[in-house]
Amino acid sequence: GAVVSQHPSWVICKSGTSVKIECRSLDFQATTMFWYRQFPKQSLMLMATSNEGSKATYEQGVEKDKFLINHASLTLSTLTVTSAHPEDSSFYICSACTTTDTQYFGPGTRLTVL
Amino acid sequence: QKEVEQDPGPLSVPEGAIVSLNCTYSNSAFQYFMWYRQYSRKGPELLMYTYSSGNKEDGRFTAQVDKSSKYISLFIRDSQPSDSATYLCAMIDPQGAQKLVFGQGTRLTINP
Repeated sequence: GAVVSQHPSWVICKSGTSVKIECRSLDFQATTMFWYRQFPKQSLMLMATSNEGSKATYEQGVEKDKFLINHASLTLSTLTVTSAHPEDSSFYICSACTTTDTQYFGPGTRLTVL
Repeated sequence: QKEVEQDPGPLSVPEGAIVSLNCTYSNSAFQYFMWYRQYSRKGPELLMYTYSSGNKEDGRFTAQVDKSSKYISLFIRDSQPSDSATYLCAMIDPQGAQKLVFGQGTRLTINP
């Protein structure tokens, strides 16, 4: 099956700093990637849709200036949480879409902001 | 009313039992139906992907779709403790730019 990786898997940072999370599709090319966040015992919440070579599309209520998304190539998308605060602490998960519209998820990145 | 309804559980059954997980949906435009398994602190793993009404079997897992009733199910036969996880149903709206619409997820525990 298709493999998606994320890096880092866990990051702790101080309030006010920025954190970059990478999402890679390892064995297929993905023109579309998605970024989700998930709070404990809750389902995934879509943050934005990332399309290679174009600007990301953000869901309502998600601050585009706070969560910067760059889809630099067909195998890499990055999410940067700028000026992170404790309320940004969450589990961030990316997915990559194959040509059959099947989404494969990365293992997730746990962000803790102190 | 949520577009996709899924009983969050928790659901606890003994090892070897047949497990039935279900979702209902309200949008008749949904065409693609998926089941994901998510272990704690991990990303969701795709288990089953179906398009049409009917059954699809893969090992101990059977996915069932009834579009007329807007109802999908996942059956797990001979359940194992390693099946303990949260199971998420998901669907795609063809007009929704490939976005997945998730159910709330059902927490399942298989007791040895």
